[in-house]
This record gives sequence, structure tokens and C-alpha cells, in this order.
Amino acid sequence: GAGVSQTPSNKVTEKGKYVELRCDPISGHTALYWYRQSLGQGPEFLIYFQGTGAADDSGLPNDRFFAVRPEGSVSTLKIQRTERGDSAVYLCASSLTRQGAGEQFFGPGTRLTVL
Amino acid sequence: GQNIDQPTEMTATEGAIVQINCTYQTSGFNGLFWYQQHAGEAPTFLSYNVLDGLEEKGRFSSFLSRSKGYSYLLLKELQMKDSASYLCAVRDRYGGATNKLIFGTGTLLAVQP
Repeated sequence: GAGVSQTPSNKVTEKGKYVELRCDPISGHTALYWYRQSLGQGPEFLIYFQGTGAADDSGLPNDRFFAVRPEGSVSTLKIQRTERGDSAVYLCASSLTRQGAGEQFFGPGTRLTVL
Repeated sequence: GQNIDQPTEMTATEGAIVQINCTYQTSGFNGLFWYQQHAGEAPTFLSYNVLDGLEEKGRFSSFLSRSKGYSYLLLKELQMKDSASYLCAVRDRYGGATNKLIFGTGTLLAVQP
């Protein structure tokens, strides 16, 4: 089936604006993750959903960042009052199970640029 | 704290073998993953180790020593298309549930003719 999809692929916004980034996981995957990747760095964990609930949001940098997954499928990452330091590629991943390998499948990412 | 170290860059020759090392110090451990990431693309899963020893998968092998906090990825018969960043990641535990991956900064491998 289809892989993880993310929209938009690119988003340019001005400092102080609000943005929403969408992730559509692989069908049937109950676990969903958001990561942020800056140039030359590995992905940095933001938040993890198991079903509809956020099981671990310890990676969200501050209260400007929020994510939801109301029906246990599509997720939206919301960033308020964007800052230039928020510029990065935001990656979404999903996995079928937390046990065993349970490898995470990544989407192509949304490149966010805050001017 | 959480710390994963891997070399920043490596260069190897087409047809050769290369070993990319990774050392980690994390508060929890529930598996170590290697991902490949081509420039501008999403990471793709290569291998998974949770027990000590070697896991082989075609041209790629990965080794884990939990007591030493050490892993390596071995790539054989290198091809030009293997030029990419290789990410080492440890799966952490949180409240008994496995979840997030903690990534190293990645090793940028350049395969030369």
C-alpha cells in the first residue's frame, strides 16, 4: 500500500505566523511519531502517539508546539507564533507495533522555512 | 543523558567494504536501528539489533554489543548508490512502553569510483 504521506512538502511562512503540518500514516499503523531534522543533524524526537493519545510528548520544545491525532489516523502538528529557529524538515513516521523490530516508516517530510 | 556518537564523514571506494561505528549512552535501551538517508529524502530502515551479535541482510550487516554500548554497520561490495547518510538510532523506553528513537547525527558516506 501507500507509504507515509506528508503535506505540504514545503512551507514558507513569516515569523510570528501559525502553521499546520499534516501526516497521513500507513493504513493500520497505530503508532505515529513526529521528528524534526535540521541540516546536518539526525532527526530529533518531538511526540509519539499510540492511537489517539499522545503517549510521549517530551520532545516538544515549548508550548508553541502542539499535535493532535483525533481519530487515530491522520495527525496534525501545529506551531504557533513561528520563529526563525523553527526552520527545519519535519518528519512523520508510523509503525505497526511497538514490539519486536517495529521499524518506523518515515514520510518525505515537510520543509518549513520561517523568514 | 542521551548520547549517540558516530563519525561525521567517511569515504570509501566502489566495490570495497566499509564499517560505520556507533557508540551510545542512553537511559533506556530497547533496540538499535540503522537507517539510510539520501540527500533530501526520508530515512529508510536498514537493520535492527536488540540482542548481542551480528545480523546479516544481503550486502548489509549490523553488529551490537550491549555491554559496550557499541554497534557497527558493515556495507560490502559498495556501490555508488550507497553514497548517503547512515543514521544510528536507539529506541528508548518511556513508562514501560517502547517509543521514540534517539538518533545520532549521521555518518555521511561518499563512495568513490
